[in-house]
Amino acid sequence: DIQMTQSPSTLSASVGDRVTITCRASQSISSWLAWYQQKPGKAPKLLIYKASSLESGVPSRFSGSGSGTEFTLTISSLQPDDFATYYCQQYNSYSKLTFGGGTKVEIK
Amino acid sequence: QVQLVQSGAEVKKPGASVKVSCKASGYTFTSYYMHWVRQAPGQGLEWMGIINPSGGSTSYAQKFQGRVTMTRDTSTSTVYMELSSLRSEDTAVYYCARGPGTKGAFDIWGQGTMVTVSS
Repeated sequence: DIQMTQSPSTLSASVGDRVTITCRASQSISSWLAWYQQKPGKAPKLLIYKASSLESGVPSRFSGSGSGTEFTLTISSLQPDDFATYYCQQYNSYSKLTFGGGTKVEIK
Repeated sequence: QVQLVQSGAEVKKPGASVKVSCKASGYTFTSYYMHWVRQAPGQGLEWMGIINPSGGSTSYAQKFQGRVTMTRDTSTSTVYMELSSLRSEDTAVYYCARGPGTKGAFDIWGQGTMVTVSS
């Protein structure tokens, strides 16, 4: 199975900061990567699909980049509503999907 | 609006089975695949498997092969996930999530169903 490694696992930042989260795949997944945001007690919410496509309704301060094995999620200016846990997910093979371990974005 | 509504919380004893439902509304049920994902307390997301509501075909993560069964009822636009031989490690929130096609991110999620396995 394809392993997804996220870093960092925890990130402390302030409102207005530029934040970058990295996700590495153990083998090439082309651009079949999604990013999700999850808040405590809630279901995950899709932010980015196909590595860099912004889901409808998601603020433009979120962006994704990368292809192959290395990907990033960037929040250009962190807002109070953005403190949450973020997960990457590869869907290169629909029968063997995997998630990264998550990155918790905390208030500094 | 498009939504997935799951059944309520369950408490089961070790060795028992649990069946969680996920009712879809607001879109054509058979046009999207449905996935099941679980999250143990304080842990990350774990993909369990996929069902094609159109034909009923399924594919399960190797970890759950032999213990999980996913089915659907097109007359009620509902998918089901049954997990058998429950153990304490199966205590988790179980989510259904819609995926557009065989290569698609999960754009709509159910609210989650807490399953607690305890003697």
